Amino acid sequence: SQQGEEDPQALSIQEGENATMNCSYKTSINNLQWYRQNSGRGLVHLILIRSNEREKHSGRLRVTLDTSKKSSSLLITASRAADTASYFCATDETGRRALTFGSGTRLQVQP
Amino acid sequence: DVKVTQSSRYLVKRTGEKVFLECVQDMDHENMFWYRQDPGLGLRLIYFSYDVKMKEKGDIPEGYSVSREKKERFSLILESASTNQTSMYLCASRGVAADTQYFGPGTRLTVL
Repeated sequence: SQQGEEDPQALSIQEGENATMNCSYKTSINNLQWYRQNSGRGLVHLILIRSNEREKHSGRLRVTLDTSKKSSSLLITASRAADTASYFCATDETGRRALTFGSGTRLQVQP
Repeated sequence: DVKVTQSSRYLVKRTGEKVFLECVQDMDHENMFWYRQDPGLGLRLIYFSYDVKMKEKGDIPEGYSVSREKKERFSLILESASTNQTSMYLCASRGVAADTQYFGPGTRLTVL
């Protein structure tokens, strides 16, 4: 079953602008993770936020988590053309061994 | 660094053929996973294994089987390939005490 739903499905911005992607989920989670996928390649882990955390930063990435609304957002600041990729949220659900991935947001950063 | 490798980047098979997709990880991870990725549907879990010879069905196991004879290797088998199995197949591994999944580069399978 698809747990995470990303919004928007596609996003096009200019270099230097900020990009915000949202993820909603349905069940109880241990943590929520964001992954990046360059075209035709495997996924690479970006950042993890645990269920008892509200905000986390890593370089130009900022992730928030609202467990009461079952939602998360990923903010990429000062975007670069090299940030062009698909971004997926993944939930680590209680009692499930595998992560559950959403359908992803395709980000296009125009130089 | 963790390395997950998949036997082929691109594969073209005919309907009815038996297809083997191989995945190898070098970090002694207990858990290994097979996903398929289709446009608009994200990643869907086919099967996973939490130990040698142990396996569990994921969300879409129909038409697939798996084999894990050694800890580092997890194979996905399409017993009789069909055109609706044309997709990108992604393998991943994860340590038992770890949070992150590590992915291979993917195999793009086309069934004609």
